[in-house]
Amino acid sequence: GAGVSQSPSNKVTEKGKDVELRCDPISGHTALYWYRQSLGQGLEFLIYFQGNSAPDKSGLPSDRFSAERTGGSVSTLTIQRTQQEDSAVYLCASSLAAQVGYIYEQYFGPGTRLTVT
Amino acid sequence: AQKVTQAQTEISVVEKEDVTLDCVYETRDTTYYLFWYKQPPSGELVFLIRRNSFDEQNEISGRYSWNFQKSTSSFNFTITASQVVDSAVYFCALYSGNTGKLIFGQGTTLQVKP
Repeated sequence: GAGVSQSPSNKVTEKGKDVELRCDPISGHTALYWYRQSLGQGLEFLIYFQGNSAPDKSGLPSDRFSAERTGGSVSTLTIQRTQQEDSAVYLCASSLAAQVGYIYEQYFGPGTRLTVT
Repeated sequence: AQKVTQAQTEISVVEKEDVTLDCVYETRDTTYYLFWYKQPPSGELVFLIRRNSFDEQNEISGRYSWNFQKSTSSFNFTITASQVVDSAVYFCALYSGNTGKLIFGQGTTLQVKP
């Protein structure tokens, strides 16, 4: 079946502009995750959705970052007033919902490479 | 604190050699999960294996094997008879608590030369 898809695959934006990154999870996966991968910071967790709810937003780097998920499916990560340090690959992952005593693996999308000039 | 350490930044081997990628983790939780992912040059992270903290059995899948030892907090990954297609960055990751968060190590870049 189809994997996690992300769009756009590449985004170049000017410093100070807002950007929206989109993630389509695997069908049937109720859990959705955003990560950021950069040379200096490695793979960094940003936020997690169970359904449309994000129990913990503390991983978002600043208040310029926000994320939402609608209909338990598509998610959007928005970065306002982008800065050069926001340049990174933004990865989305999805999984089946955790059960009592069992965690499912996360499947990752191809990522969106964001470059802030 | 929760942490994953992959001390080997880069490893280079010649095809058909065996290679072991080390992973050491830290967590205070008694229930946790460990993962290995592969990131080939194409960039997409590929899931390889999941292991929970109550299952210390080693696992073998083809040329891949994993050695989980709670006593040393290690979850090492061995590739037997390496191939050029094994060249990638390999990440070890820890999941504990109910945060949804995978904590990744810094990754080990494996280069397999023909």
